[in-house]
Amino acid sequence: AQRVTQPEKLLSVFKGAPVELKCNYSYSGSPELFWYVQYSRQRLQLLLRHISRESIKGFTADLNKGETSFHLKKPFAQEEDSAMYYCAQTGGTSYGKLTFGQGTILTVHP
Amino acid sequence: SAVISQKPSRDICQRGTSLTIQCQVDSQVTMMFWYRQQPGQSLTLIATANQGSEATYESGFVIDKFPISRPNLTFSTLTVSNMSPEDSSIYLCSVLSSGANVLTFGAGSRLTVL
Repeated sequence: AQRVTQPEKLLSVFKGAPVELKCNYSYSGSPELFWYVQYSRQRLQLLLRHISRESIKGFTADLNKGETSFHLKKPFAQEEDSAMYYCAQTGGTSYGKLTFGQGTILTVHP
Repeated sequence: SAVISQKPSRDICQRGTSLTIQCQVDSQVTMMFWYRQQPGQSLTLIATANQGSEATYESGFVIDKFPISRPNLTFSTLTVSNMSPEDSSIYLCSVLSSGANVLTFGAGSRLTVL
């Protein structure tokens, strides 16, 4: 079965510090990986997807098939980055059928 | 991307009753899905709502407990039947935006069963 693991439930950093949210996946085929974010009192929304290879709000994530990882990184965290972050994957059957990780609550202190 | 309206946004229900959650999308979408987020847990896919046919349920979810309707391409309902406290969760409607292949989520319906 597919599994997405986010080992850190909580992550705290200070403003301006680098941040890395870890994500490991288990699918052995060619998965598509996503990071979703939920800011306080807002709905869950897509942050970025690996296939786009883009940087959103300063965040990047690289798919490492050897380590089966898709860690989310930002060199200089901002207070507005404080949110719940979910890593998710699809196994190729449908882009709508996502397997989510447990989520990481990121808190950026001033 | 599509705009999704879900209602109710929250409700408190008695054990043994049923509640229907509505999901309205502002544009026609091919694929609609229902997810559940139990307290302190991640999101889990319940089923794919198929227009004009029976929903496709994931392992661990059955039609008798979670009947789903999808009468057209912009609307779906999820009913949580014969509720127990274990059904207390946030239920989320989501749609797949054609062309973008990205899931868009509704705000969710927070259900508390006493």
